[in-house]
Amino acid sequence: GEDVEQSLFLSVREGDSSVINCTYTDSSSTYLYWYKQEPGAGLQLLTYIFSNMDMKQDQRLTVLLNKKDKHLSLRIADTQTGDSAIYFCAEGGGSQGNLIFGKGTKLSVKP
Amino acid sequence: EAGVVQSPRYKIIEKKQPVAFWCNPISGHNTLYWYLQNLGQGPELLIRYENEEAVDDSQLPKDRFSAERLKGVDSTLKIQPAELGDSAVYLCASSPRFGGSTDTQYFGPGTRLTVL
Repeated sequence: GEDVEQSLFLSVREGDSSVINCTYTDSSSTYLYWYKQEPGAGLQLLTYIFSNMDMKQDQRLTVLLNKKDKHLSLRIADTQTGDSAIYFCAEGGGSQGNLIFGKGTKLSVKP
Repeated sequence: EAGVVQSPRYKIIEKKQPVAFWCNPISGHNTLYWYLQNLGQGPELLIRYENEEAVDDSQLPKDRFSAERLKGVDSTLKIQPAELGDSAVYLCASSPRFGGSTDTQYFGPGTRLTVL
């Protein structure tokens, strides 16, 4: 079945760039998403990319998609302490017709 | 614009008791989703509604879980009876139109259920 894999933890210093990686298996996925979840809160949509694109930039966020390798990354420039959260990668538009989420990457930002 | 509203935010019950969660989607959103999020995991779909019709309930444990979306707006998810393993966060999401996962989903804050 479809699967989305992410590393579980990432620790960076304030001001550095963070790169969160994700791999997925469903080659028919149409959209790939990044969601942010802060403690005790729901998921907040950060950005998404169509599968026919290889890059999307939105302010401090850069999404890179390598469709051949089924690899997605989220780069956060100038990471701030407020960026500390769990980041979920999700694939959609594939054979299951629903969003398939990874387990999330916990980003810790140290001052 | 108000976001997806869920209540209660927290619920503690004893096993074998019933429990219900309520969701009010973003106004005008036709599609509503209920997800289950276990600790340390990503959300997993339980049921998806298009208006008042459940178009995908294949992952809903129907022996104890039920859901309804009367009038195609608010939705209620019920568990009866609750088991220890049901302790989790129950997330509701909505999207503007039916399109499966190709339509952006907006999530509520979730209901954290603890079964003792």
